[in-house]
Amino acid sequence: GQNIDQPTEMTATEGAIVQINCTYQTSGFNGLFWYQQHAGEAPTFLSYNVLDGLEEKGRFSSFLSRSKGYSYLLLKELQMKDSASYLCAVMDSNYQLIWGAGTKLIIKP
Amino acid sequence: TAGITQAPTSQILAAGRSMTLRCTQDMRHNAMYWYRQDLGLGLRLIHYSNTAGTTGKGEVPDGYSVSRANTDDFPLTLASAVPSQTSVYFCATQTGEGTGELFFGEGSRLTVL
Repeated sequence: GQNIDQPTEMTATEGAIVQINCTYQTSGFNGLFWYQQHAGEAPTFLSYNVLDGLEEKGRFSSFLSRSKGYSYLLLKELQMKDSASYLCAVMDSNYQLIWGAGTKLIIKP
Repeated sequence: TAGITQAPTSQILAAGRSMTLRCTQDMRHNAMYWYRQDLGLGLRLIHYSNTAGTTGKGEVPDGYSVSRANTDDFPLTLASAVPSQTSVYFCATQTGEGTGELFFGEGSRLTVL
């Protein structure tokens, strides 16, 4: 079966750096997405990786290793507003998105 | 404001009743999706539509139906609601040829008693 694994919850300190991991096993691969979802709100797009390597976008970076079935989202200079759930999703060979359950990130002052 | 509008925002429904969740977009995206989100689970696809006039079943289609009469509207109907359909429902559209990022509506919280 297809599976996306990410930690259920993580805690970090304001101003610090946090890395949220995502491992996947899917039928084919057509890209990996990261979304941010604040409590009670809709998910919003953060990043897309289809080739191996690091994609940097401001304070957020996303890394992909296709051979390892692994990605991470790196958040730098954490701010209180970064408290949210972070969703990892993989597009399989049929261009269907398979979603992880999300990682709830708690930022402490 | 451009984007995706879902209605109602929240609804309490008696089991056995029917309900239609509305979704309207003004971005002219071809692909539209209905997901449900439950605590501890990833988003699960209910139904999708790649273009007006076509629909398809997702991972959890039972108990739900959709229609796509035009590009902008993609309503989701529960014919006879059951408590297990208590969830938050998100409508989404997609850029590109079904490979781009998703844009989500604000969600509809449905409680079936």
